[in-house]
Amino acid sequence: DIVMTQSPLSLPVTPGEPASISCRSSQSLLHNNGYNYLEWYLQKPGQSPQLLIYLASNRASGVPDRFSGSGSGTDFTLEISSVEADDVGIFYCMQALQTPFTFGPGTTLDI
Amino acid sequence: QVQLVQSGAEVKQPGASVKISCKASGYTLTSYYMQWVRQAPGEGLEWMGIINASGGSPNYAQKLKGRLTFTRDTSTSTVFMELRSLTSEDTAVYYCARSGHYKQSRAMDVWGQGTAVTISS
Repeated sequence: DIVMTQSPLSLPVTPGEPASISCRSSQSLLHNNGYNYLEWYLQKPGQSPQLLIYLASNRASGVPDRFSGSGSGTDFTLEISSVEADDVGIFYCMQALQTPFTFGPGTTLDI
Repeated sequence: QVQLVQSGAEVKQPGASVKISCKASGYTLTSYYMQWVRQAPGEGLEWMGIINASGGSPNYAQKLKGRLTFTRDTSTSTVFMELRSLTSEDTAVYYCARSGHYKQSRAMDVWGQGTAVTISS
């Protein structure tokens, strides 16, 4: 199975400041079609997870442009250009290259 | 609007089975995949498996194989998840999630509200 790691696991932030979360995979997530099968989800307190980023760098519909994803192979980053109070929750990366799909342990963002 | 509505909370005894429904609306069930993810209390997300709602063999996480079955009823646009031989380690919130909306991607873009399953004697 592909093992996903994230850092930091806890991220205290100040509204208006930028934030960055790193995600690493134990194997390359680059498919031979040229896409990296890495997704980012945010689970707000008491809610179901919601999709932020797919294929490493594509924002899902309705996701604010302050969220951006980058990276390739085994190293990926989620950046928030200016954190808002509504961004509080746990951010998970997930690889969808091969089954079983696997999640990172989560990064808790709190203000 | 597009949504997934799951069945209500369940309390089961060890050794029993649970079957959760996930009803899709606002889109054509058979045009997408459905994935299942669970979350034990205070823990992270665990992927359980995926089913092509138009047919074909589901793909289950190895650790759940033999106990887990996904089925679908296209007449009611509903996908079901059944987990058998329950133990306390199966206590979790179970989510269904649609995938296949974004071309080439398997990302889960619509999620159900979650179904809490408690295993207790």
